[in-house]
Amino acid sequence: DARVTQTPRHKVTEMGQEVTMRCQPILGHNTVFWYRQTMMQGLELLAYFRNRAPLDDSGMPKDRFSAEMPDATLATLKIQPSEPRDSAVYFCASGRGTGSSYEQYFGPGTRLTVT
Amino acid sequence: TQLLEQSPQFLSIQEGENLTVYCNSSSVFSSLQWYRQEPGEGPVLLVTVVTGGEVKKLKRLTFQFGDARKDSSLHITAAQPGDTGLYLCAGASDAGNMLTFGGGTRLMVKP
Repeated sequence: DARVTQTPRHKVTEMGQEVTMRCQPILGHNTVFWYRQTMMQGLELLAYFRNRAPLDDSGMPKDRFSAEMPDATLATLKIQPSEPRDSAVYFCASGRGTGSSYEQYFGPGTRLTVT
Repeated sequence: TQLLEQSPQFLSIQEGENLTVYCNSSSVFSSLQWYRQEPGEGPVLLVTVVTGGEVKKLKRLTFQFGDARKDSSLHITAAQPGDTGLYLCAGASDAGNMLTFGGGTRLMVKP
């Protein structure tokens, strides 16, 4: 049963520290998405990759956030420096990126707490 | 900017009751998806509807895509405690693979 995996599942860090979240998309999927979820804002798209190339990161604070796909099996989201307002659950999702009935498959998320 | 509004935001019902969740937009979507998210987990895809007027059934869940492909509904018959969770609708545009998510409906079914 293929699944998107994310590490770590939980992260508690102090303000100013660097945070790196990792995602392994489902094998064969060529699109990867990073989302942030909070009670107030719901699910927000941060970044979107297709065939490892970044296509949209307009939802991401550029001064402190960065997203990369060093290879087809790994996507990373980095926050440096972290701030308390970054506390949220970060989800990675992957998909095949074809057709109009496009579907995304989500990982279990990384719950980040910045104190 | 495409927006999806879900209603109601919160719903608390007794086991055995029926309910309907709505997802509305002023924009046209090429397809619309419904996800359910349980605490501590990521959203899980329930269904994708593509054709205007399409109706899909998944056991006690019935999904409908509006004729104009701007809205959708999710109807649950005889709700069970296992149906508890956050229900999200998401619309896909012709322009690409990105989804626009609604704000979600948080459902609690009490035994």
